[in-house]
Amino acid sequence: AQKITQTQPGMFVQEKEAVTLDCTYDTSDQSYGLFWYKQPSSGEMIFLIYQGSYDEQNATEGRYSLNFQKARKSANLVISASQLGDSAMYFCANGGATNKLIFGTGTLLAVQP
Amino acid sequence: EAGVAQSPRYKIIEKRQSVAFWCNPISGHATLYWYQQILGQGPKLLIQFQNNGVVDDSQLPKDRFSAERLKGVDSTLKIQPAKLEDSAVYLCASSLSVGLATGELFFGEGSRLTVL
Repeated sequence: AQKITQTQPGMFVQEKEAVTLDCTYDTSDQSYGLFWYKQPSSGEMIFLIYQGSYDEQNATEGRYSLNFQKARKSANLVISASQLGDSAMYFCANGGATNKLIFGTGTLLAVQP
Repeated sequence: EAGVAQSPRYKIIEKRQSVAFWCNPISGHATLYWYQQILGQGPKLLIQFQNNGVVDDSQLPKDRFSAERLKGVDSTLKIQPAKLEDSAVYLCASSLSVGLATGELFFGEGSRLTVL
């Protein structure tokens, strides 16, 4: 069974600073993927970044990077140089062989000017 | 490229009434998903289609929820009769295929249901 845990209900960060959003996972699949999605107040789910379980290098997409520690089963999202537009809910998700994504409960990020 | 289209965006009904949501995935996407997102929670998968076949419906409350994907393209999700706890946003998503090679799911804007 797959499970995603996001222990931070809410986070504050100052504009232009970096922030780390925590995510731990549990899965019985040998091959899996870890995803981060952003959900602004408009409700749309926006894909940010993906890490495959066999990828040796941490994924990066612009200001987003994924700190993947397989042994610890963690896949934390790092946002560098935070912007006001980054204020949103952030969801971590785990996808197995069938690409069925299991989502965590989310972290609400507030970027302060 | 057009995104995932959903309608209606908002729906208010009374309990025990029925409601239907429609989804048109991105052209060429074989896999379609319906997720339920209750306020303050992460999305929960209700059903996953590969073309017009069901891959996973283990979390679908089949006594009241039904879904179909005719001709492997559009999909409808129906709730009959609705309960108060069905109040949620129903998100439709699509991906190119089953499996991790393509990774990303593309989501629609969702249909917000309020049951009174």
